[in-house]
Amino acid sequence: GQNIDQPTEMTATEGAIVQINCTYQTSGFNGLFWYQQHAGEAPTFLSYNVLDGLEEKGRFSSFLSRSKGYSYLLLKELQMKDSASYLCAVSLRGSSYKLIFGSGTRLLVRP
Amino acid sequence: DTAVSQTPKYLVTQMGNDKSIKCEQNLGHDTMYWYKQDSKKFLKIMFSYNNKELIINETVPNRFSPKSPDKAHLNLHINSLELGDSAVYFCASSQQKGGAGETQYFGPGTRLLVL
Repeated sequence: GQNIDQPTEMTATEGAIVQINCTYQTSGFNGLFWYQQHAGEAPTFLSYNVLDGLEEKGRFSSFLSRSKGYSYLLLKELQMKDSASYLCAVSLRGSSYKLIFGSGTRLLVRP
Repeated sequence: DTAVSQTPKYLVTQMGNDKSIKCEQNLGHDTMYWYKQDSKKFLKIMFSYNNKELIINETVPNRFSPKSPDKAHLNLHINSLELGDSAVYFCASSQQKGGAGETQYFGPGTRLLVL
């Protein structure tokens, strides 16, 4: 079966750094996505990793280790607007572009 | 300018009714999806179409029937609505890229409440 685990909730302080972890056990791994979803809104794309290593994009970075089935999303210089849910999703090879989503991590940024 | 649009945004209806949700994308993408997000915010794939052809059909009650009149539209019809169908339904689209790096773009969601 397919399984993706993320912490349910995290709290951090404005200006700080937070790391949101994601572990997965899937068959036919074809890449990992991170999406951000504000309350009442649609998920929006943040990052994509298919090779091991770190991908940096402004204040957000995403890391992947395929051998460990592990990824993290790193958010630097946290802002209040970063309060949202962060969804980890795995793309499965040979499955017609199917994404399997984790249950998401709700991040609360406090002043 | 809206890339992926859905109508209606809110839908409140009685058990047993039949309803439809419409989705359109103007991104020129070949693949479209329907997801269900339940009260625990778990986002789960229901269906996917590629160039009007059904390519993903998860374990979904046959009361749910997707229809794709062309590759820019994917509608979802639900018969005999049940209380458990209450959720947010998201439409999404992606450009077919041979299976790698296909970012999905989501519509604003349709909030369905069955009474």
